[in-house]
Amino acid sequence: ETGVTQSPTHLIKTRGQQVTLRCSSQSGHNTVSWYQQALGQGPQFIFQYYREEENGRGNFPPRFSGLQFPNYSSELNVNALELDDSALYLCASSPARGAYEQYFGPGTRLTVT
Amino acid sequence: AQTVTQSQPEMSVQEAETVTLSCTYDTSESNYYLFWYKQPPSRQMILVIRQEAYKQQNATENRFSVNFQKAAKSFSLKISDSQLGDTAMYFCASEKTSYDKVIFGPGTSLSVIP
Repeated sequence: ETGVTQSPTHLIKTRGQQVTLRCSSQSGHNTVSWYQQALGQGPQFIFQYYREEENGRGNFPPRFSGLQFPNYSSELNVNALELDDSALYLCASSPARGAYEQYFGPGTRLTVT
Repeated sequence: AQTVTQSQPEMSVQEAETVTLSCTYDTSESNYYLFWYKQPPSRQMILVIRQEAYKQQNATENRFSVNFQKAAKSFSLKISDSQLGDTAMYFCASEKTSYDKVIFGPGTSLSVIP
C-alpha cells in the first residue's frame, strides 16, 4: 500500500509568482487536507476536499486555492506569492471526511524570496 | 472560535521514565475529536492517539495514554517508558465533528535523554 506522497520536496519562488504543489493520496482515501506549517509553529489548516468538493476552509485568503481530481489526488495553488508564504506545506489524506484517520505526507518546503 | 494551547514549548525526559505533555483547548461544540500527533526531526507527521469527546474512557495506545478532562477542557498525553525514538515535536489538535476545520496547538518539543 502506497502512502501519501507530495511533490516537489523543495522549491524556491520569487514574490509575486504562482506555485502549484501536488499530493497523491493513500489508496482508498477520498479526502485530502492541506496545512501550512511555518518554521517553529503548528500546522495551520488551509482547506479540505472530500470527493472533489471543498469541505471546509481555514483563515486563508482566496489566493490559496485547491483541486481534487477523480483519482483523489490533489493540488494546492498559491497565487501572488508573499514572503510570509514561506513554509512547509503538508498534505494529509483520509478514508472519510475529517481528520479522524488522516495520514500525512512528507511535505513540500516552499521558500519565497 | 476553536483554540488549542500547549504551554510547554520544550520538555526533556530520561530514557525509560514517564513524561506528561499538557494541552488545553477551547470550543463551544458539544462533540469533537482530540488528537496528539508526533513530528520527528524527519518531519513526517504521525498520529499518536485520538479521543472522541463523547467517550468518558481515556484512550490508550501501548505506551501512550491521555488524561481527558472534558469539563476542564484539558487533554494531556502521558508517555511511559520513554524511548529515544520518542524525541520529536508533539502537537495537540482538535476537530469539530462537522469535519470542517482542524486546529493545531503550537507544539511541544520533547527530547529523550539517554
